[in-house]
Amino acid sequence: EAGVTQFPSHSVIEKGQTVTLRCDPISGHDNLYWYRRVMGKEIKFLLHFVKESKQDESGMPNNRFLAERTGGTYSTLKVQPAELEDSGVYFCASSQGDPIAGGPLGTQYFGPGTRLTVL
Amino acid sequence: GQQLNQSPQSMFIQEGEDVSMNCTSSSIFNTWLWYKQDPGEGPVLLIALYKAGELTSNGRLTAQFGITRKDSFLNISASIPSDVGIYFCAGQLSGGSNYKLTFGKGTLLTVNP
Repeated sequence: EAGVTQFPSHSVIEKGQTVTLRCDPISGHDNLYWYRRVMGKEIKFLLHFVKESKQDESGMPNNRFLAERTGGTYSTLKVQPAELEDSGVYFCASSQGDPIAGGPLGTQYFGPGTRLTVL
Repeated sequence: GQQLNQSPQSMFIQEGEDVSMNCTSSSIFNTWLWYKQDPGEGPVLLIALYKAGELTSNGRLTAQFGITRKDSFLNISASIPSDVGIYFCAGQLSGGSNYKLTFGKGTLLTVNP
C-alpha cells in the first residue's frame, strides 16, 4: 500500500511569487492534515480536512495560505504571495478513522514533506 | 496554546548504549505518540500510547504514557547506527474537534559506531 506522497520535494521561489504544494493521502483515508516545521521550531498544525470539507483551519498563518481538497482525494496548499517567513518544511498526513474516537484508527501517517525556500 | 517540552535537545552516544528521552506538558493529552524522522523523510510513527500508565514496547524501543497524562518517555536499548535521526513526541486530544497533533521540538540522536 502506497504511503502519503507529496510534490514537489523541494521548491525554491522568490518573495512575492506563488507556490502550490500537493499531497496525495493514503488511499481510503478521509482525514488529511497539513503541518509545517520552520527551522529550529516544532512541527505545527495548519489545518485538517475530512473528505473535501475543512474541519479546522485554525493553524493557518494568514490569508496568503489557501488549502483545497476537491473531491476529497488529493489536497493542494497554495501560498500567494510568498514571504521569507514562509520558508520551512510542509508535511501532509492522513488518517483512516474518525479522530474523535482516538485509538489506532486516528493514527496520522506523514508524507516526506516539501521543503520550501523563499528567497 | 499547548506546548510540549522535549528533552534532551540532542544526544551523542556510542553504539550499544541505551538512550532515554522525555516529554512533559502543562496540559493533559489522551494520546501520546513518538515519531522518528530521518533526513529527507517525514516523521514515521514508532509507538502510540492510548491509556494513562500504558507501557508499550516495539523491539528495542519502550515508551510509557504517564499516569498524570502530562508526560511520556521513550527508551531505546542497545543503540545501533541506524537509530540516528530526530525523535519527536506528540500529544493528541480526542473528542470534539481535538485531533491535531502537538509536537515537541525534537531530540537529535547521533550514534557513534
